[in-house]
Amino acid sequence: EAQVTQNPRYLITVTGKKLTVTCSQNMNHEYMSWYRQDPGLGLRQIYYSMNVEVTDKGDVPEGYKVSRKEKRNFPLILESPSPNQTSLYFCASSLTGQGIEAFFGQGTRLTVV
Amino acid sequence: GQNIDQPTEMTATEGAIVQINCTYQTSGFNGLFWYQQHAGEAPTFLSYNVLDGLEEKGRFSSFLSRSKGYSYLLLKELQMKDSASYLCAVRPPVGNMLTFGGGTRLMVKP
Repeated sequence: EAQVTQNPRYLITVTGKKLTVTCSQNMNHEYMSWYRQDPGLGLRQIYYSMNVEVTDKGDVPEGYKVSRKEKRNFPLILESPSPNQTSLYFCASSLTGQGIEAFFGQGTRLTVV
Repeated sequence: GQNIDQPTEMTATEGAIVQINCTYQTSGFNGLFWYQQHAGEAPTFLSYNVLDGLEEKGRFSSFLSRSKGYSYLLLKELQMKDSASYLCAVRPPVGNMLTFGGGTRLMVKP
């Protein structure tokens, strides 16, 4: 089954404790991205990757890191999480090209206390 | 920059028709997407418009006017399961990045 898989689905952590949210897709998509979703603000892009070893900042990259060592994986790293990073996070992937829709993972609800 | 506006909430009755509007002001345009998102779940793709006009897909249709920076999603024969948020997203001329509006929460009542 074609899918984007995120782990974990839920995470509660403390301020300053490094964490990684994994994202994996099995559709051989070149393009992957991370979004955060907050009430009233909609989905905002954190980082994206056009292909292996190619990453770039989205609209809200501060406090996050990503890597794209393999085509299928695009982990999101919070080196020193803070409470303002409490949010619902989505990973998405797509082929490149006109009109190609993005497929989203099931989301990771992160709480930083 | 990108600015995308949608109404925050709408309410409609089961069996009725509802139109959800989206206006955008963007520095370049290469297509507009509509996604459906049930509470706590992932967004799922509904429609894509890049040329002016109406795209119909079953009970859902989407319209685009590039000159007016305007799109709408039309939902016919509303069902209770259509209660969800509907997200409008614009794609820039280069790349796959999507900029999303805040979403419209639709509540369908019996």
